[in-house]
Amino acid sequence: SQQGEEDPQALSIQEGENATMNCSYKTSINNLQWYRQNSGRGLVHLILIRSNEREKHSGRLRVTLDTSKKSSSLLITASRAADTASYFCATDAFSGGYNKLIFGAGTRLAVHP
Amino acid sequence: DTEVTQTPKHLVMGMTNKKSLKCEQHMGHRAMYWYKQKAKKPPELMFVYSYEKLSINESVPSRFSPECPNSSLLNLHLHALQPEDSALYLCASLSLGDEQFFGPGTRLTVL
Repeated sequence: SQQGEEDPQALSIQEGENATMNCSYKTSINNLQWYRQNSGRGLVHLILIRSNEREKHSGRLRVTLDTSKKSSSLLITASRAADTASYFCATDAFSGGYNKLIFGAGTRLAVHP
Repeated sequence: DTEVTQTPKHLVMGMTNKKSLKCEQHMGHRAMYWYKQKAKKPPELMFVYSYEKLSINESVPSRFSPECPNSSLLNLHLHALQPEDSALYLCASLSLGDEQFFGPGTRLTVL
């Protein structure tokens, strides 16, 4: 079952522009993670933000987390054609003593040269 | 070695066949996962193994049978599958930092 929603479902931008994706979730979490998936292949872990953190950076990626609103955003700055992929947020509620990820529906990003 | 490997990359099977998917990691991770992903959908958790013991089964039909022979290896045995079981099957392992490392997946087609 999906934990929450991501928006937009699809995003089309030009190279050099910034891309922002949003994720909302429903239950308390231990951490929230963002993953990238290229065209039906494996998922690549991008960034993990814990419930007591508000913002995290990694290269051109910036993630924010607002636990009061149960929402997170992923910002990709200065996008490149190689950033074209699907992006998923996933919440880890550490349920029953085990790490268990529940994924959002994903945002399909297309970056045009 | 910082990757999760999965074999085969592609698998086509009939509804009466028995086949197995294999997943391997040598990062010393103690939890491993199977996910199922349909086209244009997010991955859905199937099974979690922690310290080689089955910890979570997300009500998966018995035609899917997981096995963890050792801490580096995870198998998914398939028997009497249905065409709707066609999907990308992903394996992942859990790092000490709570990140999951995914393999490239096995694309399964059931005829």
